[in-house]
Amino acid sequence: SQQGEEDPQALSIQEGENATMNCSYKTSINNLQWYRQNSGRGLVHLILIRSNEREKHSGRLRVTLDTSKKSSSLLITASRAADTASYFCATPPGGSYIPTFGRGTSLIVHP
Amino acid sequence: DAGVIQSPRHEVTEMGQEVTLRCKPISGHDYLFWYRQTMMRGLELLIYFNNNVPIDDSGMPEDRFSAKMPNASFSTLKIQPSEPRDSAVYFCASSLRVTVILPSGELFFGEGSRLTVL
Repeated sequence: SQQGEEDPQALSIQEGENATMNCSYKTSINNLQWYRQNSGRGLVHLILIRSNEREKHSGRLRVTLDTSKKSSSLLITASRAADTASYFCATPPGGSYIPTFGRGTSLIVHP
Repeated sequence: DAGVIQSPRHEVTEMGQEVTLRCKPISGHDYLFWYRQTMMRGLELLIYFNNNVPIDDSGMPEDRFSAKMPNASFSTLKIQPSEPRDSAVYFCASSLRVTVILPSGELFFGEGSRLTVL
């Protein structure tokens, strides 16, 4: 069964705008990861946040984690057309270290 | 490193035929995963191996599916006989050892094998 679910399912924005995607999960976790998938390609790891962290940055990416609400968000600032892709959160169900994936958020950035 | 290598990239076959998908993980990785991606069900974990040993195959849909890892550098996913509902993109991924002390779990994915069963 899926542990995490992303929201929204689809997001369409203009270049230069910020994009925010959310992930909710069901059970306690050790870490939460975000991946990107370009059309027709494999998933690529973006960032990992541990359960004892609340926020993490990597370039134009900002990830937050709220374990009390069992939710995470991925913010892409100053988006570019090249950011067009599907974004997935991956969470290992409680007690496991094997990540399971949600259905993803499809992001389209218009030039 | 060349990354995770999957073959074939595309496979079109007829219902009832045997399909074999292949994967070469990143050298030194202890874990190997097979996932299936469809529009309806998203990305599903089928099976994973640790040090060439199958650990959890509860995601394998039925007996028509089988996976092997004869050595640390090669794995296969076989479907026999194939059915149209098996049409999907199959991904192989590998990762380093995951422990409580090193709970990384970052997966490295191949480019996938797109299977179409007519």
